[in-house]
Amino acid sequence: EAGVTQFPSHSVIEKGQTVTLRCDPISGHDNLYWYRRVMGKEIKFLLHFVKESKQDESGMPNNRFLAERTGGTYSTLKVQPAELEDSGVYFCASSQVGEGVEQYFGPGTRLTVT
Amino acid sequence: QKEVEQDPGPLSVPEGAIVSLNCTYSNSAFQYFMWYRQYSRKGPELLMYTYSSGNKEDGRFTAQVDKSSKYISLFIRDSQPSDSATYLCAILGGKLIFGQGTELSVKP
Repeated sequence: EAGVTQFPSHSVIEKGQTVTLRCDPISGHDNLYWYRRVMGKEIKFLLHFVKESKQDESGMPNNRFLAERTGGTYSTLKVQPAELEDSGVYFCASSQVGEGVEQYFGPGTRLTVT
Repeated sequence: QKEVEQDPGPLSVPEGAIVSLNCTYSNSAFQYFMWYRQYSRKGPELLMYTYSSGNKEDGRFTAQVDKSSKYISLFIRDSQPSDSATYLCAILGGKLIFGQGTELSVKP
């Protein structure tokens, strides 16, 4: 069974540009989560989809971040316009329907904003 | 105050040592306590989790929760160089709330 995949693995962009990160969850997993780790800090929750609906987006830092999950399959996270403080590693995780206890993480996308 | 506190280390031990990794948390309502392992440039991998208080053992790994003191621990017996990684504690409160992670190095 394929795990959670994320694309790209690394992205370097200039301040003010737009970047779109993609996550493909494990097939059949209704729950999809985005997390982020900035330098020197702990991994922090961004948002949670159940199928195509946003269940919890309390961790989204501001309106420059837009997440979508059309059709309840893969998800995208767009940052527009990117700022220096957006640099970090963005992780996606998925879990089966339910409480989301066993969340499986992707390898992450390392975003560098210069 | 952070919801989950974890000493970032680094922690270096000789092969075969018993390793103790610890976290404290602030909200007594949490019921699920997780340990993740993360190798360099990889995503976190769920090692094990416990529900409420008590111990859970899986091979060389034992997870322990003491809800009275809001303290969670992971013990690694007979540590191996392949155990060298960052260990992250997390609690599940609708979403995962992580500690900062402890970097462990097991020297041959």
